[in-house]
Amino acid sequence: EPEVTQTPSHQVTQMGQEVILRCVPISNHLYFYWYRQILGQKVEFLVSFYNNEISEKSEIFDDQFSVERPDGSNFTLKIRSTKLEDSAMYFCASRGDRTSNQPQHFGDGTRLSIL
Amino acid sequence: AQSVTQLDSHVSVSEGTPVLLRCNYSSSYSPSLFWYVQHPNKGLQLLLKYTSAATLVKGINGFEAEFKKSETSFHLTKPSAHMSDAAEYFCVVSVRGDDKIIFGKGTRLHILP
Repeated sequence: EPEVTQTPSHQVTQMGQEVILRCVPISNHLYFYWYRQILGQKVEFLVSFYNNEISEKSEIFDDQFSVERPDGSNFTLKIRSTKLEDSAMYFCASRGDRTSNQPQHFGDGTRLSIL
Repeated sequence: AQSVTQLDSHVSVSEGTPVLLRCNYSSSYSPSLFWYVQHPNKGLQLLLKYTSAATLVKGINGFEAEFKKSETSFHLTKPSAHMSDAAEYFCVVSVRGDDKIIFGKGTRLHILP
């Protein structure tokens, strides 16, 4: 069964540094998402992406964050000037179409630790 | 606006006994509802989904859920718990025309030997 893959599984970064989290969505999917789960809290939507542009973003997704699909397979989340509170598990997801009855398929996540 | 409430943050059951994880939703429109499971250090795996067809939905690993519109509930059940079911379970709502999905806070299921 096709999977969403995320790299790295764990990223440790000094506060103030930039970090790029990478995702390879399922190959025929068109819609891509990032979510965040701070330890002990619920999974929160960050951003959705379609046709090379952001289709929706949450209030969490401010100017510190950006997403990109640099080629036909990767989907990245960049976090600039990282802060301690950015420490969380980041999940990438993809979906074949936008109808609400189609589930999103999730990767295993990247655990980001900011020191 | 839509929301999801998972009534229990932790549930403990003995192996071989039934499992009930409760979920209530709020939505202005006909929702699609999902249950995802997250095992330790793993991603989110889809267990089952409700999309306005049959109200009783069967999923993987023997889990099922029943959509009850009158109670705005979508509780997850399994007749007999297995040790491998120990994980975090998330109830999720999606609304037509809305790109993002809304997660409940999760219920951690503990299986006692």
